[in-house]
Amino acid sequence: DIQMTQSPSTLSASVGDRVTITCRASQTISSWLAWYQQKPGKAPKLLIYKASSLGSGVPSRFSGSGSGTEFTLTISSLQPDDFATYSCQQYNSYSWTFGQGTKVEIK
Amino acid sequence: QVQLVESGGGVVQPGRSLRLSCAASGFTFRSYALHWVRQAPGKGLEWVAVISYDGSNKYFAGSVKGRFTISRDNSKNTLSLQMNSLRVEDTAVYFCARDRGGGDFPDAFDIWGQGTIVTVSS
Repeated sequence: DIQMTQSPSTLSASVGDRVTITCRASQTISSWLAWYQQKPGKAPKLLIYKASSLGSGVPSRFSGSGSGTEFTLTISSLQPDDFATYSCQQYNSYSWTFGQGTKVEIK
Repeated sequence: QVQLVESGGGVVQPGRSLRLSCAASGFTFRSYALHWVRQAPGKGLEWVAVISYDGSNKYFAGSVKGRFTISRDNSKNTLSLQMNSLRVEDTAVYFCARDRGGGDFPDAFDIWGQGTIVTVSS
């Protein structure tokens, strides 16, 4: 199975900060990567698919990049609604796997 | 609106069975592959199983293969997960989710239900 590793596990930031989260795949997955946002007690929400395509209704401050084995999610200017946990997911094969998650906390 | 609603969760003893359901509305159900994803308390997301739009292809995570089965009824817009031989480590919130690729999966998951809680405990 393809393993997904995110860093950092926790990130402390302030409103207005530029935030970057990294996700690494244990083998190449081309651009078959998604990013999700999840708040406590809620279902995940799709932010980015195919590494860099913005999900429906997702603000443009969110962006994704990368291909192969290394990917990043960037929030250009952190907003109060953005404090949440972010997870990457690969869908290169018929065995989807998620990263362990990155919690973005208020500094 | 586009919606997935899970049901069937509860408390069950180890070794017993439980069946989860997911009711869909607001989209052409028969055109999309559907997944089950779970999240143990305080842990990350774990993909569980997928069924293709027509039910002809099914894939499972290694941790549930041979114990869980997935099925769908395209006439009733419902997805099911039959969980047998449950273990304590199956305790989690179970989400159903739509694969955005339609018939051309695998793809990302664009619609999620609110989840149903399964607790396996003696």
